Amino acid sequence: KAGVTQTPRYLIKTRGQQVTLSCSPISGHRSVSWYQQTPGQGLQFLFEYFSETQRNKGNFPGRFSGRQFSNSRSEMNVSTLELGDSALYLCASSLETGSNQETQYFGPGTRLLVL
Amino acid sequence: AQKITQTQPGMFVQEKEAVTLDCTYDTSDPSYGLFWYKQPSSGEMIFLIYQGSYDQQNATEGRYSLNFQKARKSANLVISTSQLGDSAMYFCAIEGTDSWGKLQFGAGTQVVVTP
Repeated sequence: KAGVTQTPRYLIKTRGQQVTLSCSPISGHRSVSWYQQTPGQGLQFLFEYFSETQRNKGNFPGRFSGRQFSNSRSEMNVSTLELGDSALYLCASSLETGSNQETQYFGPGTRLLVL
Repeated sequence: AQKITQTQPGMFVQEKEAVTLDCTYDTSDPSYGLFWYKQPSSGEMIFLIYQGSYDQQNATEGRYSLNFQKARKSANLVISTSQLGDSAMYFCAIEGTDSWGKLQFGAGTQVVVTP
């Protein structure tokens, strides 16, 4: 079974631009979570989607948004990029059978550099 | 709210030796899950082991075992017989009740396995 895939793997943007990152979960997984990883702040939760609905959101400004499609694929968008948005963006998927604390499986991440 | 504390920023381990990585947590949720992930320099987060708060026995997965002490709120990872490929960053994470896909990560411990 294929793992979580993320595209693109690397991205360079300039301040003020916007960016869209894509995540395809493991087949059959219905929940997708996004995380931002930086040297200074560590791993921080952005949001989680299930059945095309955002169920949970971290403490990030409104410039960060996401969505999930009917096939469980997810995208996240960052508008008006700032230098501080440079980070590794990780996507994770889980089966979501209704029980708590299901294991999340991560993709390889997208490395975003904002110049 | 949940919090994870990993007090060891880094450590060197001799190949074939065992190593224990410390993790303490704080949560008021009655039900929670504890996870350990490995992140090599490539960036991908690799799931290692899971411990549920109501599990009576310590979790084991191959060379990985979890020393779960609920009263002390600790969930230390033990890697037996270290291999050079174990060199990576190790993260402890917690997911609480109704967290909807939100993992709270610790700062991580960098492990370097030496020949």
